[in-house]
Amino acid sequence: SAVISQKPSRDICQRGTSLTIQCQVDSQVTMMFWYRQQPGQSLTLIATANQGSEATYESGFVIDKFPISRPNLTFSTLTVSNMSPEDSSIYLCSATGQGYGYTFGSGTRLTVV
Amino acid sequence: GQQLNQSPQSMFIQEGEDVSMNCTSSSIFNTWLWYKQDPGEGPVLLIALYKAGELTSNGRLTAQFGITRKDSFLNISASIPSDVGIYFCAGRDTSYGKLTFGQGTILTVHP
Repeated sequence: SAVISQKPSRDICQRGTSLTIQCQVDSQVTMMFWYRQQPGQSLTLIATANQGSEATYESGFVIDKFPISRPNLTFSTLTVSNMSPEDSSIYLCSATGQGYGYTFGSGTRLTVV
Repeated sequence: GQQLNQSPQSMFIQEGEDVSMNCTSSSIFNTWLWYKQDPGEGPVLLIALYKAGELTSNGRLTAQFGITRKDSFLNISASIPSDVGIYFCAGRDTSYGKLTFGQGTILTVHP
């Protein structure tokens, strides 16, 4: 399976600022996704990162708040914009490709103060 | 949207006991996946199921894809302390491939 590297692994940010999370996969993948996991909760899909085009967002998530880029087959970024304490969560990158299941990165633990 | 009901929410067992957890859905999935998440880590794939009725094992873990395509279970035999963690089921949408996750089962194993 693919290995996913996410950075930063954790950050503490001031409200009103933005944070960009990077996701690098060690092999070409078909699809890349971004999830949010709030404390003690399950994973919620934010969007599918589409290579070379706008991401596909799930209900309740918008591009202005969570802009996503995917310039090539192995790299994607998620930005959490104009942060508030409610954005404190774990953000996870996931990918899937030919012959292997959905793999996750270790996550980015974001605390907004 | 689609929802997965995972049960039980938590389990407290003695080392050596067997464990069973399951997920049910109101809609059909074409793939069922089972993950384990340790503290501070992302979910790690344990077992993937691709066909209705499929029964798959991975060491002490066994999972089945329900015939109706709306449910799946995971069994862990002879539990050990390192089995502690949160277990998630996930169903793959029949459309373009996004996953829907269950609420998770928190497993605690007492030595």
